[in-house]
Amino acid sequence: EPEVTQTPSHQVTQMGQEVILRCVPISNHLYFYWYRQILGQKVEFLVSFYNNEISEKSEIFDDQFSVERPDGSNFTLKIRSTKLEDSAMYFCASSRTSSGNTIYFGEGSWLTVV
Amino acid sequence: AQSVAQPEDQVNVAEGNPLTVKCTYSVSGNPYLFWYVQYPNRGLQFLLKYITGDNLVKGSYGFEAEFNKSQTSFHLKKPSALVSDSALYFCAVRDDDYKLSFGAGTTVTVRA
Repeated sequence: EPEVTQTPSHQVTQMGQEVILRCVPISNHLYFYWYRQILGQKVEFLVSFYNNEISEKSEIFDDQFSVERPDGSNFTLKIRSTKLEDSAMYFCASSRTSSGNTIYFGEGSWLTVV
Repeated sequence: AQSVAQPEDQVNVAEGNPLTVKCTYSVSGNPYLFWYVQYPNRGLQFLLKYITGDNLVKGSYGFEAEFNKSQTSFHLKKPSALVSDSALYFCAVRDDDYKLSFGAGTTVTVRA
């Protein structure tokens, strides 16, 4: 069964450093997402991406965050200058189309900012 | 704006007993409702969804959910719980902008 894959599974970084989280969505999917889950809290939407541009972003997704689909298969989330409060599990997700289609999630990337 | 509420932080049941995890929703248009399960240190796994049609939806691992429009509920059920069903369960609603909004999650513990 096709799946969303994410790397790295866990990353520890110093505050102020740049981090890039990578994702390979399911191959025939057109919509891509990043969500995050701070330890013990609910899953929060960060950004959605369609047709090579951001379609929606939350208030969490400030200027420190960016997304890119550099080569038609990878989908990356970059945090330019990490803060302690960026420590969370980051989930990549994809769906084939919109509305009723299921969004499939990857296993997540644990980011710890020290 | 759409939202879901999971009124119970925790649900504890004995193995073999019925399991119910509650979810209520609020949407302005047609509800697209989903259940996901998260095992410890793992990602979110899709269980089932309601888009349209039959109010009783069957999904993975023997789970089902009943869509009730009048009560704006989408409770997850399993007739006979297993210890391996112990996990964190999330209800979610998808809006016209295609993103999912999640509930706070319900921790299910099934004791042997």
